Amino acid sequence: QSALTQPASVSGSPGQSITISCTGTSSDVGRYNLVSWYQQYPGKAPKLMIYEVTKRPSGVSNRFFGSKSGNTASLTISGLQPEDEADYYCCSYAGLTTRFGGGTKLTVL
Amino acid sequence: EVQLLESGGDLVQPGGSLRLSCAAPGFTFRNYAMSWVRQAPGKGLEWVAAISDSGDGTFYADSVKGRFTTSRDNSRSTLYLQMNRLRVEDTALYYCAKVQSSYSQAFDHWGQGTLVTVSS
Repeated sequence: QSALTQPASVSGSPGQSITISCTGTSSDVGRYNLVSWYQQYPGKAPKLMIYEVTKRPSGVSNRFFGSKSGNTASLTISGLQPEDEADYYCCSYAGLTTRFGGGTKLTVL
Repeated sequence: EVQLLESGGDLVQPGGSLRLSCAAPGFTFRNYAMSWVRQAPGKGLEWVAAISDSGDGTFYADSVKGRFTTSRDNSRSTLYLQMNRLRVEDTALYYCAKVQSSYSQAFDHWGQGTLVTVSS
């Protein structure tokens, strides 16, 4: 049950856009449109930001955008704000199991 | 308001056992699948186990299969994780998470976690 692959870190300046990739396989990301993304601040529980690849829960800013192509899902955050600085995790259903990415630390410069 | 309240974390020796609980007031617990997700200190999230809404179906990560058992008591709106033959590498903050729907498989609510430390 290998983890999904995410970059360890990304950074951007306020107002810019960044994209975090999440690479899986044909058994998880590529097979199911069931990718979700979570935001986690230090010492806090994760928060659901995107589900079913592209959908945003109520209350999540429309600056957060999810997409997928083949075995790779992506989270794009536009108009970066200081409060976006956090760890981000992708997650994919994979049949009888669920896989998380290793996490990406987003730094807002 | 959905609440997930984990308890039962403790310091335990390798080879020992522990049972975690997750009280879930504020929503119709019996209608939702639930999961356990853990996070080792300074590390990422790792899915551990899941249980269907009725409790008839349970699923486990390879790393805990045969050692951990998840169950639920829908009459008490409580989720459990029985952890046996604990290893040092099981040291982590254990979260219970509510599954958004049977289709999405996303975790839309999380508890604050309970800390399990396995050490001699």
